[in-house]
Parts: sequence; structure tokens; C-alpha cells
Amino acid sequence: DAGITQSPRHKVTETGTPVTLRCHQTENHRYMYWYRQDPGHGLRLIHYSYGVKDTDKGEVSDGYSVSRSKTEDFLLTLESATSSQTSVYFCAIRRSGVGGELFFGEGSRLTVL
Amino acid sequence: AQTVTQSQPEMSVQEAETVTLSCTYDTSESNYYLFWYKQPPSRQMILVIRQEAYKQQNATENRFSVNFQKAAKSFSLKISDSQLGDTAMYFCAPNSGGSNYKLTFGKGTLLTVNP
Repeated sequence: DAGITQSPRHKVTETGTPVTLRCHQTENHRYMYWYRQDPGHGLRLIHYSYGVKDTDKGEVSDGYSVSRSKTEDFLLTLESATSSQTSVYFCAIRRSGVGGELFFGEGSRLTVL
Repeated sequence: AQTVTQSQPEMSVQEAETVTLSCTYDTSESNYYLFWYKQPPSRQMILVIRQEAYKQQNATENRFSVNFQKAAKSFSLKISDSQLGDTAMYFCAPNSGGSNYKLTFGKGTLLTVNP
């Protein structure tokens, strides 16, 4: 158990509405990530954070914003959801030390109608 | 940008047999790590095995082992004595090294273990 909680786990929304996904960690790790998973694409990095208020873009950041006002929470916001953002979203943390592997939350399935 | 290629979208194997999943990648880094993740139908992402690029010895974790060829940028996963619980999507993921440790994932290989 990596101590990562994603909420909500499932959400259905309509095109044009704002959506915020929350990732909460209990272990005080510096690095946090948001990925999206789509059939045929694997996991693609949206945004990541390397500290409070320190964030950077990944390869598919258009249409998404993030915020990290405290170590334990990393929020992903879709300002105006589109059908192309229907996906499964995974949050991950990187534990300090050797390896650099990521530990993932259970995923949030978002459907935009 | 780093690219990762998993050339086998789907594979199947009989229970108790051995199967190898392939992965090639492109990187300009000299020191990095490579990972294989497993995603069963539960959707949870599970780390299977880790390889450090500067180590020549191939990593092994129980029934899972890798064949890492740094010059060829190849990182294949071998599963021995396949079990029904190995049925899952498998992702290859090298990291970008440096200070930010971003993982780039391949598109995955769906492995089905048949009884």
C-alpha cells in the first residue's frame, strides 16, 4: 500500500463543465504525477510536481492544470471538460532513494458526455 | 522526447510455460533505470521488476527476469512457469534520469495465460 488515495474514483460529467481530481498521499513524498491511460496509448504524463507550488508539464498537458498547495495533495483540473478527456487518470508518487520507480493510486475513471 | 516501443500488442502462453515480452526504447541518458509494470484487470499498476542501466547483470525477481542490452536499447521481460494470475497488461517504462524521474511508458502488451 503506497498510501495514495484518488478521488473521486468514478465521475460522469458533461462537456464544458469543470472537473477536479484529487490525489492525496500520506507519506510526505516530494514528487507526484498525473498520468492518463487510454487504449492503445499506454500511460501518458499530464503534469508532475517536484514540491509545493513546483509543477511542470508532461507530454499531454493541453486542457489540464494542476495545483499543489501542500505536500500531501496534488489536484488535477479540467477547466472545461471535453469528450477527448474521457479516460482513466492515475496519480503516482516517487519515493526517495534508489530506483525512481513510481507507485500508483487506484485510478479515477472520468467520462465526459 | 523519449520513445518506448512494445512491438507485441497481444500475446498468449500456456500455463507453466515461458514467455518473453519485448521492449525497445530511445534515450540520450547514460544512467537511468528501466521498469516493467503489470496491470491486471483490477486496473492497479504493480511494479514487476527494476533494472539499473549501469549494471550489466540482468535483474531477477522470482519467476520474472529481464534481458537488458544497453547498446541495443532493448529491455525484454521473461516470465517463467507462467501462472493464470500473470494474465495482465504489461508496460515497459524507462525513466528519464536527471533530477525529475519521469517515466515514459510503452503502449503495453496484453498477456493471456491459458489453462
